[in-house]
Amino acid sequence: DQQVKQNSPSLSVQEGRISILNCDYTNSMFDYFLWYKKYPAEGPTFLISISSIKDKNEDGRFTVFLNKSAKHLSLHIVPSQPGDSAVYFCAASAGGGTSYGKLTFGQGTILTVHP
Amino acid sequence: DVKVTQSSRYLVKRTGEKVFLECVQDMDHENMFWYRQDPGLGLRLIYFSYDVKMKEKGDIPEGYSVSREKKERFSLILESASTNQTSMYLCASSFSSGGMDEQYFGPGTRLTVT
Repeated sequence: DQQVKQNSPSLSVQEGRISILNCDYTNSMFDYFLWYKKYPAEGPTFLISISSIKDKNEDGRFTVFLNKSAKHLSLHIVPSQPGDSAVYFCAASAGGGTSYGKLTFGQGTILTVHP
Repeated sequence: DVKVTQSSRYLVKRTGEKVFLECVQDMDHENMFWYRQDPGLGLRLIYFSYDVKMKEKGDIPEGYSVSREKKERFSLILESASTNQTSMYLCASSFSSGGMDEQYFGPGTRLTVT
């Protein structure tokens, strides 16, 4: 039962254009969402997050949008750079005292940005 | 700057061996996690711990056990390694403040079981 899904295994974009990575979830208890970036042979690094009380959060070139009614979030990278080429994971948390910060991850999307 | 370290980057073990993967964090985090990453499956939670000597099963605990004797250290144990446990193993830690905290990851251990 995949509660967090990234249906696109890969995405290829040209340098300078927008990259849009998508993520869907099924558990309505999720109230905090994160995006992680992972380079080969390294651990994932935190990129950006959004709480369910917001519908948008922006940090430099990265913006995350949350559509709670559709149980969908997306990560926009503008402009895309070759250094953005990595695997991107979407993750979700149900919050609350007993969650202990447990995250549920999607399958990942491989982003390739061509010069 | 948070640092999570893992004892080995690469490990090759034989089927049936007992394998220990060690993880240490230096930020006094309450929560620690062990994941495995496989292509097309993302990161799957094996076990986590929210305090010393406390442990909870994740989504795929079969074939694994864990130990947390000190706050900064979380060990993953493969009692009898099998080839289907060949994977990338990632350790992570986080503060405990109501579930809205990012996890910090170590560099991973690529385990091959032959």
